Amino acid sequence: EDKVVQSPLSLVVHEGDTVTLNCSYEVTNFRSLLWYKQEKKAPTFLFMLTSSGIEKKSGRLSSILDKKELFSILNITATQTGDSAVYLCAPSGTYKYIFGTGTRLKVLA
Amino acid sequence: DTAVSQTPKYLVTQMGNDKSIKCEQNLGHDTMYWYKQDSKKFLKIMFSYNNKELIINETVPNRFSPKSPDKAHLNLHINSLELGDSAVYFCASSLRTPGTGDGYTFGSGTRLTVV
Repeated sequence: EDKVVQSPLSLVVHEGDTVTLNCSYEVTNFRSLLWYKQEKKAPTFLFMLTSSGIEKKSGRLSSILDKKELFSILNITATQTGDSAVYLCAPSGTYKYIFGTGTRLKVLA
Repeated sequence: DTAVSQTPKYLVTQMGNDKSIKCEQNLGHDTMYWYKQDSKKFLKIMFSYNNKELIINETVPNRFSPKSPDKAHLNLHINSLELGDSAVYFCASSLRTPGTGDGYTFGSGTRLTVV
């Protein structure tokens, strides 16, 4: 059965800290992995990763995929209170993305 | 211009009622999905349609019936609502099926509360 595990489940940090969020997966016919940020409403897209070892960056956020070890990490540097959210990873099989339970990040001022 | 729009945003109804949620996307995507998100924020896929054809039908009670009149619309009808159906329901779309590596665009969600 397909499985996605995100860790930690929750995290509280102070502004300016750097955080690393983890996502490990076991998915049949893996194709790609997505990262989303969810605040109060719909998840918003952050990254799509398809190849191992190639870092994707967007401002203070970056992510990388390891297809051999079956995991991905999402890094956020110099965190801000606006980064407080649930971060979801979703690897895809042939026809669907399977979402993890998310990491709840709270950034304190 | 809303890319994926769902109506209604909120729905409060009594047990036993039948209700529908509508979803429309104007992105020209081929594939649409319904996800259910519980109180712990776990997003679980329910259905997926590609060009009006059902391609994913997860283990969902048959009280839930999706309908896709065309590839821009995917509606969800729920019969005989139960307390456990209370959740946020998200519609999403992608250009093609996930195997091609496309990401999802989500609608803003419908918060269903069954009382």
